[in-house]
Amino acid sequence: DSGVTQTPKHLITATGQRVTLRCSPRSGDLSVYWYQQSLDQGLQFLIQYYNGEERAKGNILERFSAQQFPDLHSELNLSSLELGDSALYFCASSPHVTAGPDTQYFGPGTRLTVL
Amino acid sequence: EDQVTQSPEALRLQEGESSSLNCSYTVSGLRGLFWYRQDPGKGPEFLFTLYSAGEEKEKERLKATLTKKESFLHITAPKPEDSATYLCAVPFSGGSYIPTFGRGTSLIVHP
Repeated sequence: DSGVTQTPKHLITATGQRVTLRCSPRSGDLSVYWYQQSLDQGLQFLIQYYNGEERAKGNILERFSAQQFPDLHSELNLSSLELGDSALYFCASSPHVTAGPDTQYFGPGTRLTVL
Repeated sequence: EDQVTQSPEALRLQEGESSSLNCSYTVSGLRGLFWYRQDPGKGPEFLFTLYSAGEEKEKERLKATLTKKESFLHITAPKPEDSATYLCAVPFSGGSYIPTFGRGTSLIVHP
């Protein structure tokens, strides 16, 4: 158990809908990262937050947005869902942002199925 | 262009048959290389971080090594419970050093 929690574990929804995925980082970790993993794309970085502020952006679609709250939990919002958004969504956390890379600890993931 | 490539894509071993997985990268000024293990449907689990050429780290039957161009994950006398996908990740400088993950090697160890 990494100490990172994600809810829900599974989510089934229809095209065009909007969903929210939730992540609670390990105790004391200030950084949260979101990743999408699909069979054809591998693990793709979406976005990073550090202590409530956006820190880095990856291949995140405009239909997707995220935020980190004062208690450091984070939410990833996916809107106007398409079939191709079906994937595993992982949250990871790390202790701090230094001048170099941090070891990330991953949550169990949310499996999103768009029908 | 910065890249990380893992090989082979899939590997089948008999229990006790040692082998190595490869992660090659092209990045100037390596700031660390990470190895993760991922079981089906679960989140990646951190294994090792290597920072400089010549560095080695071990954990049970796994040993990770690093050169200037690649890293190897050596698996000695594997057991069926070592079956998983092994991912390596390299941070590419973009100001934030977000690790870019390779596609992974899917390892199956038969009893």
